[in-house]
Amino acid sequence: ETGVTQSPTHLIKTRGQQVTLRCSSQSGHNTVSWYQQALGQGPQFIFQYYREEENGRGNFPPRFSGLQFPNYSSELNVNALELDDSALYLCASSLSGVFNEQYFGPGTRLTVT
Amino acid sequence: GENVEQHPSTLSVQEGDSAVIKCTYSDSASNYFPWYKQELGKGPQLIIDIRSNVGEKKDQRIAVTLNKTAKHFSLHITETQPEDSAVYFCAASTTSGTYKYIFGTGTRLKVLA
Repeated sequence: ETGVTQSPTHLIKTRGQQVTLRCSSQSGHNTVSWYQQALGQGPQFIFQYYREEENGRGNFPPRFSGLQFPNYSSELNVNALELDDSALYLCASSLSGVFNEQYFGPGTRLTVT
Repeated sequence: GENVEQHPSTLSVQEGDSAVIKCTYSDSASNYFPWYKQELGKGPQLIIDIRSNVGEKKDQRIAVTLNKTAKHFSLHITETQPEDSAVYFCAASTTSGTYKYIFGTGTRLKVLA
C-alpha cells in the first residue's frame, strides 16, 4: 500500500470538454509529479509540483495545468480535450530530492470520445 | 533529447528460470535508476532502485546492475514465479532541477507454469 490515492478511477469526456483529476500524496511527501501513460507505453512526465509551485514541465501544451495545495494534494486540469488525451493519468508523490523514490497511485483512466 | 530504451518488449520464461531486462539511457547526468512493476489496472509499483555510485544491488530474487560508462542498466529476476508476470518499466531520473523520471517503453514478462 503506497498511500497515494487518485480520483476518479475512470471517466469519460467529450472532445472539447475540460477535466480535473485529483491526487492525495503519501503522508509526509511534499512533491507531486503527474504522468500520462498511453496504452502500451511508458509513463510520460507532464509536470511536477513542490511547495505549491510548478517545478518542471514535460513536453505538454499549456492546456495541461495543475495545482498543489498546502496539504500537498494536487490537481491536474486539462482543457479543450482531444481524442489523443485518452490515457491513464498517474500521480506520484515523493520527498524532494534526486534520490527520493516516487510512489505512484492507481491512476485515473480518461477516455475522450 | 532525454531517452531511455528498453529491451525486450516481451519476454516469456519457464517458471524457475531467470529473466533479464536491459535499458540504455542517453542523459549522462542521470544518477538514479528505479524499476517499476505494473500489473493490469494498477499503477506502477517500485520494486528496486540503484544510485549511480553503486554498481549492483540485490533484494532477494531481484537484482539490478549499472554500467555508467556504457549508460546501461539491467534488471535480473531469478527463480521466476507466475506472480512475477507483469509489465516492467525502467526509468532514469534527470537532474536538471526537476526530479522527473524518463521511462522506458516497458517489458511484458510472462512466466509460464
